[in-house]
Amino acid sequence: GAGVSQSPRYKVAKRGQDVALRCDPISGHVSLFWYQQALGQGPEFLTYFQNEAQLDKSGLPSDRFFAERPEGSVSTLKIQRTQQEDSAVYLCATEGRNTEAFFGQGTRLTVV
Amino acid sequence: GNSVTQMEGPVTLSEEAFLTINCTYTATGYPSLFWYVQYPGEGLQLLLKATKADDKGSNKGFEATYRKETTSFHLEKGSVQVSDSAVYFCALSAYGGFKTIFGAGTRLFVK
Repeated sequence: GAGVSQSPRYKVAKRGQDVALRCDPISGHVSLFWYQQALGQGPEFLTYFQNEAQLDKSGLPSDRFFAERPEGSVSTLKIQRTQQEDSAVYLCATEGRNTEAFFGQGTRLTVV
Repeated sequence: GNSVTQMEGPVTLSEEAFLTINCTYTATGYPSLFWYVQYPGEGLQLLLKATKADDKGSNKGFEATYRKETTSFHLEKGSVQVSDSAVYFCALSAYGGFKTIFGAGTRLFVK
């Protein structure tokens, strides 16, 4: 597609519920990143894929967070047993040829 | 570790005023430096970048110069417009675009 697409745009989850956030990257972009942006803060790195390989997951805050990109295109970020501190905007980005990152509009997750 | 510090906002300016948003960084090696902008209701987008010392990035009237001696990358614009109202993020990447590290963001209001 023309840009990075994320769905849903907004998600309200009850505490303890599992959620899945989807990222459709720009076609042909090899690198894909997930970031978490808390209110009033800058994005913080969660994890990085090169094609289907997850090369860095050092930013995932706990083992409740899991990301996959099985065919090297669409990626899903899953959060199990959501907690209130998981409330944030989750951003997906892909990297173009000149190392410029292209961001999706994000998914705003609110855990109640 | 690598980090970015930028001036706290919000910054409120009148139209046609001069803008400076300070940004300093800590990094090993020679990072690339970026300014990203987030307009209301939109995603982050790259505003400008510089990949080595003394490079000047520029776009839409905004400029920033990569100063290795002061580890700074301050954003400037000579005459702001209402349409420049947004949140501005300074960022660095030590390995091209991999694992970009962002500052906390500075909100700009132009009235």
